[in-house]
Amino acid sequence: EAAVTQSPRNKVTVTGGNVTLSCRQTNSHNYMYWYRQDTGHGLRLIHYSYGAGNLQIGDVPDGYKATRTTQEDFFLLLELASPSQTSLYFCASSEDRDTEVFFGKGTRLTVV
Amino acid sequence: QQKVQQSPESLSVPEGGMASLNCTSSDRNFQYFWWYRQHSGEGPKALMSIFSDGDKKEGRFTAHLNKASLHVSLHIRDSQPSDSALYFCAASASNYQLIWGSGTKLIIKP
Repeated sequence: EAAVTQSPRNKVTVTGGNVTLSCRQTNSHNYMYWYRQDTGHGLRLIHYSYGAGNLQIGDVPDGYKATRTTQEDFFLLLELASPSQTSLYFCASSEDRDTEVFFGKGTRLTVV
Repeated sequence: QQKVQQSPESLSVPEGGMASLNCTSSDRNFQYFWWYRQHSGEGPKALMSIFSDGDKKEGRFTAHLNKASLHVSLHIRDSQPSDSALYFCAASASNYQLIWGSGTKLIIKP
């Protein structure tokens, strides 16, 4: 089964701090995604990529940067973290845009 | 504007009973529908997809799609406590990103 590994699993940072969330997939999938999950909003797409060096903005990109360094690795960067970015973040991958999406276990981020 | 709406927000069903979840899209371009399930502490996992009008059955799970009304449903028969989870509907058009609903929380009471 497709494997998507996120790190760290939990993170606490202060307002204005820098945070990097990491994701690696070992399935040679073309697409990788960063989502945030908040009660009442479901899954909201932050950024996605269809290959190394490519980056596409999602539906809620403000305050986030992302970088896809290799086919396997996708990073989410919060350069000036705010309490509104406290959330559960998921990385995911898929072969194509409309094929099955495989998710990691999530990173719970708290900005105090 | 929410393009994929799920109902109900929360549902409680006795063990062994039938659970029915609903999803309606507002975009006639949507051709593919997925159901995902998320257990507490985990990421969502795909249950099944449906592309054609009618029913698709996988074990205790049956999805029903009506393209004319843009409505898809998921029915779980003989519900088990392990079915307690958050269920997402997702839709996409050809070569477009998945659009996610906000989820239905299903609780199976022993």
